[in-house]
Amino acid sequence: KQEVTQIPAALSVPEGENLVLNCSFTDSAIYNLQWFRQDPGKGLTSLLLIQSSQREQTSGRLNASLDKSSGRSTLYIAASQPGDSATYLCAVPWVYSGAGSYQLTFGKGTKLSVIP
Amino acid sequence: GAGVSQSPRYKVAKRGQDVALRCDPISGHVSLFWYQQALGQGPEFLTYFQNEAQLDKSGLPSDRFFAERPEGSVSTLKIQRTQQEDSAVYLCASSRTGVGTDTQYFGPGTRLTVL
Repeated sequence: KQEVTQIPAALSVPEGENLVLNCSFTDSAIYNLQWFRQDPGKGLTSLLLIQSSQREQTSGRLNASLDKSSGRSTLYIAASQPGDSATYLCAVPWVYSGAGSYQLTFGKGTKLSVIP
Repeated sequence: GAGVSQSPRYKVAKRGQDVALRCDPISGHVSLFWYQQALGQGPEFLTYFQNEAQLDKSGLPSDRFFAERPEGSVSTLKIQRTQQEDSAVYLCASSRTGVGTDTQYFGPGTRLTVL
């Protein structure tokens, strides 16, 4: 069974600081790994998707890395801003049943607070 | 439409009532997923459709939960005789094909509160 863990559960940093969020998964046979952002009371916004053949993806101030062999991914946020405050979730597609649906298995998320 | 939409955004039900939650996926997307997100947790898979066929319902927590997608586009998640433990955010996602490398796009969710 695939399990996804995110550390830390919560993080508070002053504005302008660089930070790293961690995600680990138990089975390295993944197709990709996706990072999402969730604002309170809102749905999920996809930030970055890294295919299994890639080592990293960048979008603006965000950089996500993937190390399949060690079962780890990191999301690096540069020069954090108060608007970055949200919960960040990582997820991997996984097939649990014979139906072949690539349901996403999520971590519990890291709640980030950026203090002005 | 431009993205996945869900309605209602908020639903309050008395215990024992039936509820119906709607999902409009991105036009042309073959695959549709329903997830349940309890407070402080990550979303958990409920069920999966490929076009109108429900191929995987292994995540549905009980036989009170029922989902359909009769014409391969809009989907409805129905919960009968709601219980307090059903209180959660219900998220719908769609993807173009449903293969493992595909991106799933999520709607804003429906927050269900059962009193």
